Amino acid sequence: QQPVQSPQAVILREGEDAVINCSSSKALYSVHWYRQKHGEAPVFLMILLKGGEQKGHEKISASFNEKKQQSSLYLTASQLSYSGTYFCGTGGSGGSNYKLTFGKGTLLTVNP
Amino acid sequence: GAVVSQHPSWVICKSGTSVKIECRSLDFQATTMFWYRQFPKQSLMLMATSNEGSKATYEQGVEKDKFLINHASLTLSTLTVTSAHPEDSSFYICSASDSPRYTFGSGTRLTVV
Repeated sequence: QQPVQSPQAVILREGEDAVINCSSSKALYSVHWYRQKHGEAPVFLMILLKGGEQKGHEKISASFNEKKQQSSLYLTASQLSYSGTYFCGTGGSGGSNYKLTFGKGTLLTVNP
Repeated sequence: GAVVSQHPSWVICKSGTSVKIECRSLDFQATTMFWYRQFPKQSLMLMATSNEGSKATYEQGVEKDKFLINHASLTLSTLTVTSAHPEDSSFYICSASDSPRYTFGSGTRLTVV
């Protein structure tokens, strides 16, 4: 089942912060965050596993609330390069043969 | 880090012809690879799971006979779009897991004219 992302779109000025949310109606074992720029493939940002959390970048972090079946991606002091569509993908227990189901995406635009 | 190579980056073909897209894991072995399709401004929709040495598992609504998947080795999966039609025009992306993360190929933009 497809996770639900919010907001659908957000516009920021450089240096501002943003939060992107991802929620699921099913139990979550892992949440994967990706950023995709127009015409390109998604690029891995970070993964959060049940029972733990991993931080992938300095100014981009994420939380994972297993009980609420939610994850949030935090972008602080946004840069122009942060612009793109952010997708969360939810999967199984982290094994390599578990498929990811992606949300509809959040379009982030950072203006000067 | 894990690298997944996808080829070609783009292809234009005539309606009724077939197109083959390759996906390779360059620095790791992938017993499982995934094929996605993405229409403009939409999400990544999983088409099928490619399993090395066995038949692919297709998602509901995806035509098995139209989208042929072959995973002959631990580093190569291919997707063949048979008898392509304009409605098959899309961005096709493969991914593979170097556990626990999943890495995407660069994608193939297919245009059927």
